[in-house]
Amino acid sequence: GENVEQHPSTLSVQEGDSAVIKCTYSDSASNYFPWYKQELGKGPQLIIDIRSNVGEKKDQRIAVTLNKTAKHFSLHITETQPEDSAVYFCAAIARAGSYQLTFGKGTKLSVIP
Amino acid sequence: KAGVTQTPRYLIKTRGQQVTLSCSPISGHRSVSWYQQTPGQGLQFLFEYFSETQRNKGNFPGRFSGRQFSNSRSEMNVSTLELGDSALYLCASKGGGTYNEQFFGPGTRLTVL
Repeated sequence: GENVEQHPSTLSVQEGDSAVIKCTYSDSASNYFPWYKQELGKGPQLIIDIRSNVGEKKDQRIAVTLNKTAKHFSLHITETQPEDSAVYFCAAIARAGSYQLTFGKGTKLSVIP
Repeated sequence: KAGVTQTPRYLIKTRGQQVTLSCSPISGHRSVSWYQQTPGQGLQFLFEYFSETQRNKGNFPGRFSGRQFSNSRSEMNVSTLELGDSALYLCASKGGGTYNEQFFGPGTRLTVL
């Protein structure tokens, strides 16, 4: 089945700096890659996603890039703010025709004011 | 539009008991998936229901079961609870068509003593 690796597990940045979180996946048939943000005591919140026919997608301060050949995708957050502090999860659809998400282990991002 | 709701938010049970958790998806969404989140294993897929039918199942023992009603509300049941079942149980709602976006509820925190 699908396997998703996520790095780093923790990341500390100064407010205003950029943060990058990287994920790799194993199943070349995977075609949908969402990113979720989870704050303490809450469920994961979908923040951005990308489909396999697109190489990059941006939404204000966040962007996601996808390299299908290398089977990796990354989340970029620019001009980080304290409210960006949370745990971020990458995920991939496990197999074509399925909606089962396989998640990475998460990255705890701390933005230091 | 109201988001995904889960009840109860917190639950304490003892080993050997059974528990039923409830999830109401976003209005109009017909697909509901359940995930277990633990510090050690991360987010793991339990099962997905669509139009009252289980469409996909993860690698969990038969003690974990679910169902979906005609109004798309879903319940999951865990019988003969074990200490290792302590976790945050999350439900995700998905709309129709080819869009894969899944939206999570706040979760039910289950503690087994």
